[in-house]
Amino acid sequence: KAGVTQTPRYLIKTRGQQVTLSCSPISGHRSVSWYQQTPGQGLQFLFEYFSETQRNKGNFPGRFSGRQFSNSRSEMNVSTLELGDSALYLCASSLGHYSYNEQFFGPGTRLTVL
Amino acid sequence: EDQVTQSPEALRLQEGESSSLNCSYTVSGLRGLFWYRQDPGKGPEFLFTLYSAGEEKEKERLKATLTKKESFLHITAPKPEDSATYLCAVQDSNYQLIWGAGTKLIIKP
Repeated sequence: KAGVTQTPRYLIKTRGQQVTLSCSPISGHRSVSWYQQTPGQGLQFLFEYFSETQRNKGNFPGRFSGRQFSNSRSEMNVSTLELGDSALYLCASSLGHYSYNEQFFGPGTRLTVL
Repeated sequence: EDQVTQSPEALRLQEGESSSLNCSYTVSGLRGLFWYRQDPGKGPEFLFTLYSAGEEKEKERLKATLTKKESFLHITAPKPEDSATYLCAVQDSNYQLIWGAGTKLIIKP
């Protein structure tokens, strides 16, 4: 069974640009959650999508957005990038929504903002 | 405000030397407490879920316990392959997931 995949694995952008990250969940999983991980703040929850609907949202500015497609694949977008957005962005999938029990994480996308 | 604190930040042990990691929390209406393991360059890997005080879960050399204020991850006779960062997260009554900063565990052969 294939795991969670994230593309791209590494990304370098400059301030003010926007970026789109992609996540393909495990087959059959309908929930996708996104997290930001930094050395200073640790893991912080961004949002969760289930059946193409945002079900839960963390405390991040509106520059961070996401969506989920009918095949459960998800994308997250960050507009007007800031230096502080440099982080590892992780995607996790699970069977049901709010189902943080046994989330399966992808390897992450390392975003560097210059 | 909901908060999760893990201690120590880092722990170095000799192979076979048992110890415990701590996760203390203040949260409104605990729905669940989760333990994950994260290896360098990888996403976290699920270990355990605990739902109520007094609950215990075991997996190989790891045992997780839960009280009303904290959780412990006990590591018995660890091996070098147990080296990783161990993360704790709690889910509150609003289904929000709050993560601790993690404990970096290093097991020396």
